[in-house]
Amino acid sequence: KQEVTQIPAALSVPEGENLVLNCSFTDSAIYNLQWFRQDPGKGLTSLLLIQSSQREQTSGRLNASLDKSSGRSTLYIAASQPGDSATYLCAVRGPGRALTFGSGTRLQVQP
Amino acid sequence: GAVVSQHPSRVICKSGTSVKIECRSLDFQATTMFWYRQFPKQSLMLMATSNEGSKATYEQGVEKDKFLINHASLTLSTLTVTSAHPEDSSFYICSASLGQGADTQYFGPGTRLTVL
Repeated sequence: KQEVTQIPAALSVPEGENLVLNCSFTDSAIYNLQWFRQDPGKGLTSLLLIQSSQREQTSGRLNASLDKSSGRSTLYIAASQPGDSATYLCAVRGPGRALTFGSGTRLQVQP
Repeated sequence: GAVVSQHPSRVICKSGTSVKIECRSLDFQATTMFWYRQFPKQSLMLMATSNEGSKATYEQGVEKDKFLINHASLTLSTLTVTSAHPEDSSFYICSASLGQGADTQYFGPGTRLTVL
């Protein structure tokens, strides 16, 4: 059974810092990996999707990498802003189409 | 494009009542919809996979008689929590895929269920 772990569980940084969120998964037989953002009490916003054949994806200040063989992904956020404060979820898609989610990293960016 | 809505966004009910949550794909046809639940400060856990016109596939440990899923059309799936109890209080989120082989799932905004 696929298990997804995210480290750290919580992170607080001052505004302007660059930061890295980590995600690991136990079964490397994935179709893709996706990073989401969730604001308190809200649904999910998709940030980046990396196909299993890809190594990284970039969108604005966000860069996600994927090392499928080692079961790891990172989400790099450059020049963090208070508006980046949210919970970041990593999810992998296996042979089916449902997603297995990590427990998330709660990010707080201090002004 | 690719918007998914849920209704209601928040519901409070008494223990023993049944609650229906709707998930709609507003501008696309979704052959497959997924239902997740999320307890406070925890991640999303898949409850069931719903395919249009067929029975839902439930994950291990999820009671199919308690969580009734209907996917009668390509744009609507419903989750009914029957005889709700306080332990069913949770955040329920649905997602929808565009079609066969589609990678991207689009998530609804979620429904907060509180059972008193």
